[in-house]
Amino acid sequence: GAVVSQHPSWVICKSGTSVKIECRSLDFQATTMFWYRQFPKQSLMLMATSNEGSKATYEQGVEKDKFLINHASLTLSTLTVTSAHPEDSSFYICSARDHLEYSPLHFGNGTRLTVT
Amino acid sequence: AQKITQTQPGMFVQEKEAVTLDCTYDTSDQSYGLFWYKQPSSGEMIFLIYQGSYDEQNATEGRYSLNFQKARKSTNLVISASQLGDSAMYFCAMNQAGPGGYNKLIFGAGTRLAVHP
Repeated sequence: GAVVSQHPSWVICKSGTSVKIECRSLDFQATTMFWYRQFPKQSLMLMATSNEGSKATYEQGVEKDKFLINHASLTLSTLTVTSAHPEDSSFYICSARDHLEYSPLHFGNGTRLTVT
Repeated sequence: AQKITQTQPGMFVQEKEAVTLDCTYDTSDQSYGLFWYKQPSSGEMIFLIYQGSYDEQNATEGRYSLNFQKARKSTNLVISASQLGDSAMYFCAMNQAGPGGYNKLIFGAGTRLAVHP
């Protein structure tokens, strides 16, 4: 089945630094990838939709300058948390579809970010 | 606006018994897709089962089946013969059309299932 690889699985960084999270589709091409954020014991909240070769589409309330998304190829999307603060600590998880519009999303294993 | 509602924050079931997790949705679209995902404590999202709005039969995948009632806008997940490994968070989700024609997935609040031996 379709595999999405996310790296790193966890990261600890200091306030003010930037962190980059990579999301790769290993055996399929993904023109669209989705980035979600999940706080402890809460649901997944969509942050933005990453479109290959164009600007990402951000959900309402998500700061585009804070969460930079780049989708440079059909198999790679990156999320960069810029100038991270403790309130950015969360679980970030990416996903992609391998073909049909109603096919299920395949998720990466997520990245747990802790900002100290 | 589309919305997914899971009213059961937590459920428990005895091993080998069946359990039903509730999910209702609200949409004005005629065509839509409904999904269930499992999230163990390790965090990964595991796709379980899908139901299309035009599917006439309830979806089944092994021990998972859906009780899809379109008129009531509900798609309840039934897990038969529960196993200890079924203990996890379960999320109901639905496609929502986004700008550009792609479909994004919105999730319900989730139900935490505990299977007791």
